[in-house]
Amino acid sequence: AQSVTQLGSHVSVSEGALVLLRCNYSSSVPPYLFWYVQYPNQGLQLLLKYTSAATLVKGINGFEAEFKKSETSFHLTKPSAHMSDAAEYFCAVTEGKGAQKLVFGQGTRLTINP
Amino acid sequence: EAQVTQNPRYLITVTGKKLTVTCSQNMNHEYMSWYRQDPGLGLRQIYYSMNVEVTDKGDVPEGYKVSRKEKRNFPLILESPSPNQTSLYFCASSFRTPSNQPQHFGDGTRLSIL
Repeated sequence: AQSVTQLGSHVSVSEGALVLLRCNYSSSVPPYLFWYVQYPNQGLQLLLKYTSAATLVKGINGFEAEFKKSETSFHLTKPSAHMSDAAEYFCAVTEGKGAQKLVFGQGTRLTINP
Repeated sequence: EAQVTQNPRYLITVTGKKLTVTCSQNMNHEYMSWYRQDPGLGLRQIYYSMNVEVTDKGDVPEGYKVSRKEKRNFPLILESPSPNQTSLYFCASSFRTPSNQPQHFGDGTRLSIL
């Protein structure tokens, strides 16, 4: 079964600093990969997705992620953090025949310090 | 407005009292899914449905039932709720499978089973 590991349940950065949220998945066969963001008391929103078209994927709000097959990683970055980026971030991968299932990581709570 | 609507948003109930959480989407999506979110565990898939009358188990289906009699509705049924089902529940939908379609999430239902 597919598994997803997000290193660091909490990440804290200063406003304007680089944001790096780590995600590793277990499958040797590249799945479809996603990053979702959850703001307080809301559902999840899609930040970006990898579907094999390009290894560097750009998403909304200035975020991007790079797919590295050799490292089975899909880390999320943003060059300059903004206070509005404070939220919980989830990495997710597909699983199963036809990619019918979605497996999420444990989540990383991002705090932005003024 | 395109949306996934869950009801109720909050519910406190007692062990053994049957309850249903409704989920409705107005986007004509074929794929619908239920997740539960618990601290430190991220989101885990309970059940999913590829289309009307087609449902399948996710990773944590025990203690839950679903039905998909109409395309727009995907209720989650807890026949005999227990305290370990206290959690935050999300319904999600997409046109097709998660492989290339972002999931649209509802705002969540917080269940407390006493």
